[in-house]
Amino acid sequence: AQTVTQSQPEMSVQEAETVTLSCTYDTSESDYYLFWYKQPPSRQMILVIRQEAYKQQNATENRFSVNFQKAAKSFSLKISDSQLGDAAMYFCAYRSLTAGGTSYGKLTFGQGTILTVHP
Amino acid sequence: KAGVTQTPRYLIKTRGQQVTLSCSPISGHRSVSWYQQTPGQGLQFLFEYFSETQRNKGNFPGRFSGRQFSNSRSEMNVSTLELGDSALYLCASSLDGRYQPQHFGDGTRLSIL
Repeated sequence: AQTVTQSQPEMSVQEAETVTLSCTYDTSESDYYLFWYKQPPSRQMILVIRQEAYKQQNATENRFSVNFQKAAKSFSLKISDSQLGDAAMYFCAYRSLTAGGTSYGKLTFGQGTILTVHP
Repeated sequence: KAGVTQTPRYLIKTRGQQVTLSCSPISGHRSVSWYQQTPGQGLQFLFEYFSETQRNKGNFPGRFSGRQFSNSRSEMNVSTLELGDSALYLCASSLDGRYQPQHFGDGTRLSIL
């Protein structure tokens, strides 16, 4: 079974600064997706960024970028020019792409990292 | 395009009762997944439906069940409620539940007294 670990329960950053959230995962599979989701106090889980395991190039979405190290099974999220609206719980998630029913619709989540942004 | 809609937003029940939660996916999305979120266990996958068929199931007791209708709307039912069922229940929809990303609703907060 796959596992996802976020070793930083809490992180803080000053507005306009850069912060990196860590995520490691354990899998024996070669085909999968990795995601970062953001959950503000409003509860809705919002997709931040997605990485396909077969792509060597790191994904970027505006101020958000990832450092994907497949061999090390590491998937960190970098937030540049942090804004007050970035404050939230951030979850790293894994989705298998192996054949078979156990991969359908299932995300395996880490425990989350609470990000605080100071003005 | 409207997002994923979950109703009700809050629900209070007592032990032994049963409850039904509803999820309307984004238009055109045929896959609906359900998750339970608690402070202790985090986010755990319950099950996934696609075109009215359950394709995948997490490790939850049989008291947790679901279904999907022809319009892709989904319901989740929990029978014989226990205190430990208190949680935020999140629904997510996707075009295919495999290659396309999942988009989440605001969740239903279920409290068991």
